[in-house]
Amino acid sequence: KQEVTQIPAALSVPEGENLVLNCSFTDSAIYNLQWFRQDPGKGLTSLLLIQSSQREQTSGRLNASLDKSSGRSTLYIAASQPGDSATYLCASYGGSQGNLIFGKGTKLSVKP
Amino acid sequence: NAGVTQTPKFRVLKTGQSMTLLCAQDMNHEYMYWYRQDPGMGLRLIHYSVGEGTTAKGEVPDGYNVSRLKKQNFLLGLESAAPSQTSVYFCASRTPYIFYEQYFGPGTRLTVT
Repeated sequence: KQEVTQIPAALSVPEGENLVLNCSFTDSAIYNLQWFRQDPGKGLTSLLLIQSSQREQTSGRLNASLDKSSGRSTLYIAASQPGDSATYLCASYGGSQGNLIFGKGTKLSVKP
Repeated sequence: NAGVTQTPKFRVLKTGQSMTLLCAQDMNHEYMYWYRQDPGMGLRLIHYSVGEGTTAKGEVPDGYNVSRLKKQNFLLGLESAAPSQTSVYFCASRTPYIFYEQYFGPGTRLTVT
């Protein structure tokens, strides 16, 4: 069964810093990996989707990479801003149900 | 396009009451899912459907029932609400092609007192 882990659970950085959020998964035979952002009390905003045949995806200041052999994905945020403060979730499809298996998230706080 | 919508956005129930959460999608997706999100537990799958008229159990199905009478709608029912069902409920949908992303609704925040 696929398991997804995100470390650290929380991260605090000063504004302007480049940072990396980590996501690891146990089953390397993944179809894709999706990164989400969740603001407090809000829903999930899809940030990036990396398909299994891809190594990385970029959107603005965000870059997500996928290394299936090591079971890891990273989300790189360049020049962080206070508006980036949120919880970031990664998820991968698991099992025969076609549902997403989520990590518990990394709560990011960017200090002005 | 509205994408995935959920009704209601918030609800407070007393123990033992019943209610139905409605999820609607306008993307003609075959697959639909209900997840719940609890602090420290992440999102967990309750029930899912791979097409109109079909439903199946997920990881935490107890206390819930679902129906998919129309392709665009997926209903989640609580017959007799319990405080343990206090949670945020998310609906999602996708195409059958697993390489593509899953789209989420805005969530329903349910409190059972």
